[in-house]
Amino acid sequence: TQLLEQSPQFLSIQEGENLTVYCNSSSVFSSLQWYRQEPGEGPVLLVTVVTGGEVKKLKRLTFQFGDARKDSSLHITAAQPGDTGLYLCADYDYKLSFGAGTTVTVRA
Amino acid sequence: NAGVTQTPKFQVLKTGQSMTLQCAQDMNHEYMSWYRQDPGMGLRLIHYSVGAGITDQGEVPNGYNVSRSTTEDFPLRLLSAAPSQTSVYFCASSSEGRDTEAFFGQGTRLTVV
Repeated sequence: TQLLEQSPQFLSIQEGENLTVYCNSSSVFSSLQWYRQEPGEGPVLLVTVVTGGEVKKLKRLTFQFGDARKDSSLHITAAQPGDTGLYLCADYDYKLSFGAGTTVTVRA
Repeated sequence: NAGVTQTPKFQVLKTGQSMTLQCAQDMNHEYMSWYRQDPGMGLRLIHYSVGAGITDQGEVPNGYNVSRSTTEDFPLRLLSAAPSQTSVYFCASSSEGRDTEAFFGQGTRLTVV
């Protein structure tokens, strides 16, 4: 059974600061996805990465996938209150295996 | 375009009662799945389906039943509710492909007393 570990569990920062959250897997990802979930809503896909060493950028968010395809990081530059939410990494293989998530709070 | 629709949004059950959580999608997706979300544990897979007539168990299937008679619908049945099934339940659907996106419903918050 694949185990996904996300760190830190909680992160609280001031608006304008940078942050990084991490995701590590006990086995190679089929296809790594990052989701963001807001209170009372379902998760929404941010990005999919499939190739080791891949880097993807989505405005102020940068996603890195490890060469061995067992770890990933999400970096947010100049965080804004709208970035507040639960960030989840998942392995996608027509169904999802999720990590426990990192709760990010950006204070105005 | 409705996407993934879950009903009800909230439900309170007594221990031992049964009920069905409904999930419908209008995107003609082959894959559908059910997850439960508990504090500090992320989302855990209950059951999933790769097409009409095909279902399989996920990580935490005990106490739940599913069926997939049509592409659009994937109901989740609680056979005899227990307090340990108090959780938020999410249904998701996706199409075929390695980098496809899973679309989630808004969730059903279930409390078993």
